[in-house]
Amino acid sequence: EVQLVESGGVVVQPGGSLRLSCAASGFTFDDYAMHWVRQAPGKGLEWVSLISWDGGSTYYADSVKGRFTISRDNSKNSLYLQMNSLRAEDTALYYCAKDIGREGAYYFDYWGQGTLVTVSS
Amino acid sequence: DIQMTQSPSTLSASVGDRVTITCRASQSISSWLAWYQQKPGKAPKLLIYKASSLESGVPSRFSGSGSGTEFTLTISSLQPDDFATYYCQQYNSYSLTFGGGTKVEIK
Repeated sequence: EVQLVESGGVVVQPGGSLRLSCAASGFTFDDYAMHWVRQAPGKGLEWVSLISWDGGSTYYADSVKGRFTISRDNSKNSLYLQMNSLRAEDTALYYCAKDIGREGAYYFDYWGQGTLVTVSS
Repeated sequence: DIQMTQSPSTLSASVGDRVTITCRASQSISSWLAWYQQKPGKAPKLLIYKASSLESGVPSRFSGSGSGTEFTLTISSLQPDDFATYYCQQYNSYSLTFGGGTKVEIK
């Protein structure tokens, strides 16, 4: 059974930093690209970032480019999102999602349950 | 970035109704479109990919159609479990984008 379990969400002050983690199991992690997708309270879904199966390619939404960094450790079956210079508008539930392909830019067949990031003073 | 526009934003329907949700892309995305269902407090669930392919395990009352810039998700006979919010998502480019969502409510 595929499982994606996010962690690391907390309340952080504007301008602060945070690292989210996603632990994957139930599939061959290094065969697939992975994504972060977020959802602000009461709002729709927003794609945040993509990393290819080997970490060789990464892509970001314009709203987070230059502030967020996606990475993965295939030896630990783990995905990460380093979030710097956080803003109030980054407040959201952050989902880890599995792509159906190796290079990414497809669709998501499995999602975690999300971890909540709140940016507030 | 490719903009995705869903309509309506809210839809009131009864059990047994045929329901259609529309998703329009700001430029052609061929058939690179997926549909998801999200219930309150839950993660999204994949329903349809490549515009019209049904994900394994999804009931056959769900269907998708369209290509280019206009797409539809149809629920042939609405069931109590189908009251949820539905999102389209394009994957024509590396900058993936979602529609704003359509909430299907009980009439």
